[in-house]
Amino acid sequence: GQSLEQPSEVTAVEGAIVQINCTYQTSGFYGLSWYQQHDGGAPTFLSYNALDGLEETGRFSSFLSRSDSYGYLLLQELQMKDSASYFCAGLTSGTYKYIFGTGTRLKVLA
Amino acid sequence: DSGVTQTPKHLITATGQRVTLRCSPRSGDLSVYWYQQSLDQGLQFLIQYYNGEERAKGNILERFSAQQFPDLHSELNLSSLELGDSALYFCASSTGLGTDTQYFGPGTRLTVL
Repeated sequence: GQSLEQPSEVTAVEGAIVQINCTYQTSGFYGLSWYQQHDGGAPTFLSYNALDGLEETGRFSSFLSRSDSYGYLLLQELQMKDSASYFCAGLTSGTYKYIFGTGTRLKVLA
Repeated sequence: DSGVTQTPKHLITATGQRVTLRCSPRSGDLSVYWYQQSLDQGLQFLIQYYNGEERAKGNILERFSAQQFPDLHSELNLSSLELGDSALYFCASSTGLGTDTQYFGPGTRLTVL
């Protein structure tokens, strides 16, 4: 099947670094995206990896390894406002379906 | 503000009824996507339109249908509603066919009683 698996919840303290993993079991897709969603809000785009390697955007970085069917989102210098759900997502090759991961709820503690 | 608008914001209806959700994409975006998000669940891809044509179909029920009009706005029609259809329905738009950034609207919260 086509799925993107993420840990359900991650907790970290303010100022720390946290990594949210995304593993997939699909035959192929075009890159991996990351979205943030606050409770009651709409998802907003954070980062996109078209190719293997690391992409850095401010405090957020994202990594993709196609050979390992694995990606992650790295959040540095955590702030309280980073408490939200984070989703990885990808467009499947062939069927062109856009699949979102199971989502990770991040709790940032003071 | 993403530039994507959705109406209505809230919708309360009864089982067996039919509703229409409307989405206007960002100016210049040709793709429109529809997603369903049930309480504390992830986003389920329903369907995508690109420049008026259906591009991809996800786990969309036969009771649901969508279309994209010449002015690129889109409507999602939900019929014979069941309690389990209660959810947040998001519309998103993007410039191209699907590998580019998607911009999400604020969503329509549907409650079926």
